[in-house]
Amino acid sequence: AQTVTQSQPEMSVQEAETVTLSCTYDTSESDYYLFWYKQPPSRQMILVIRQEAYKQQNATENRFSVNFQKAAKSFSLKISDSQLGDAAMYFCAYRSPTGNQFYFGTGTSLTVIP
Amino acid sequence: SAVISQKPSRDICQRGTSLTIQCQVDSQVTMMFWYRQQPGQSLTLIATANQGSEATYESGFVIDKFPISRPNLTFSTLTVSNMSPEDSSIYLCSVVVAGPNQPQHFGDGTRLSIL
Repeated sequence: AQTVTQSQPEMSVQEAETVTLSCTYDTSESDYYLFWYKQPPSRQMILVIRQEAYKQQNATENRFSVNFQKAAKSFSLKISDSQLGDAAMYFCAYRSPTGNQFYFGTGTSLTVIP
Repeated sequence: SAVISQKPSRDICQRGTSLTIQCQVDSQVTMMFWYRQQPGQSLTLIATANQGSEATYESGFVIDKFPISRPNLTFSTLTVSNMSPEDSSIYLCSVVVAGPNQPQHFGDGTRLSIL
């Protein structure tokens, strides 16, 4: 089974600064999909950004961008101009195109310091 | 995208009782999942809810404890049976719309406490 690893249980960033959250995964598949989710305290988990493995270009969504390194099996999330509302748990997820399984990392708790 | 309504949002239950959680989606979806999540922790998949057939359970979860129904493509229920304090957790419904590159969309979750 695929595994997803988030090696940073907690991270902090000063407001308006940039932070990068790490995610690595293990797979033998050549085609797959990667996602970052945000879960604010006591609130709904929402999709932040997605990346298709066949695309070389890194995905961006406003202040959120990814650094996708397929050979290294790395999928980090960069948050620019951090805001207080970015404080949340962030989960990295992997989806195989051949099955119904999603694999989630253990999460990174991000604190934004005013 | 999909809009998911999960009910109840929270409940406090007595030991030995059962609670049914409902998940309603505003559109037909291909997959529906039920997860358990301890506060501040990652997600643990309980089962995949299959339309018109028995759910597919993950290791450590059994139908007698967590019966699941999915009568159609927009609705599913999860029952937590014979509850004990160890069942205190957040239970999440998630769905996937058609397409291999689609993400999961999550409900707000049900925060369950067992006394």
